[in-house]
Amino acid sequence: DIVMTQTPLSSPVTLGQPASISCRSSQSLVHSDGNTYLSWFQQRPGQSPRLLIYEISNRFPGVPDRFSGSGAGTDFTLKISRVEAEDVGVYYCMQGTQFPRTFGQGTKVEIK
Amino acid sequence: EVQLLESGGGLVQPGGSLRLPCAASGFTFSNYAMTWVRQAPGKGLKWVSVISESGDDTYYEDSVKGRFTISRDDSRNMLYLQMNTLRDEDTAVYYCAKGWQLEQWGQGTLVTVST
Repeated sequence: DIVMTQTPLSSPVTLGQPASISCRSSQSLVHSDGNTYLSWFQQRPGQSPRLLIYEISNRFPGVPDRFSGSGAGTDFTLKISRVEAEDVGVYYCMQGTQFPRTFGQGTKVEIK
Repeated sequence: EVQLLESGGGLVQPGGSLRLPCAASGFTFSNYAMTWVRQAPGKGLKWVSVISESGDDTYYEDSVKGRFTISRDDSRNMLYLQMNTLRDEDTAVYYCAKGWQLEQWGQGTLVTVST
């Protein structure tokens, strides 16, 4: 199975400041079709997860443009340009290249 | 508006069985693969299973292979997860999600396996 490792596991951030989460996979996520299936999800406290970013950098409809994804191969990053109060929660990366799909451990974003 | 509504959760003894339905609406159900993901209390997300648009292809996480069966009824816009030989470690909130990319998620249903 592909192991997904996120850092940091906790990220205290000042409102209005940027935040960055790293996700590393144990093997390349480039699929045989040429696409890279790396997604990011947000789970606010008490809520279901929500898709933010798919295929490394594509924002899902309705996701604010302060969220951006980047990376390639085995190293990926989610950035929040200016953290707002509603961004508090746990963020997960997930690889969709190979079965079984696997998630990172989650990164808790909280306000300082 | 896409809606996914899981049900069927509850308390079950180890070794028991449970079937989780997920009712879908607001999109053409038959055009989408459907996925189950679970989350143990206070823990992270764990992918469980997916079924293709046609229902011909199914995939499972290793720990549930042979015990869980995913299925779909496109005439009723329903997704199912049949869970047999349940173990303590299957205790979790179970979410259904739309598509290969998990585009939208239901609110989840809690399954507790305990004596």
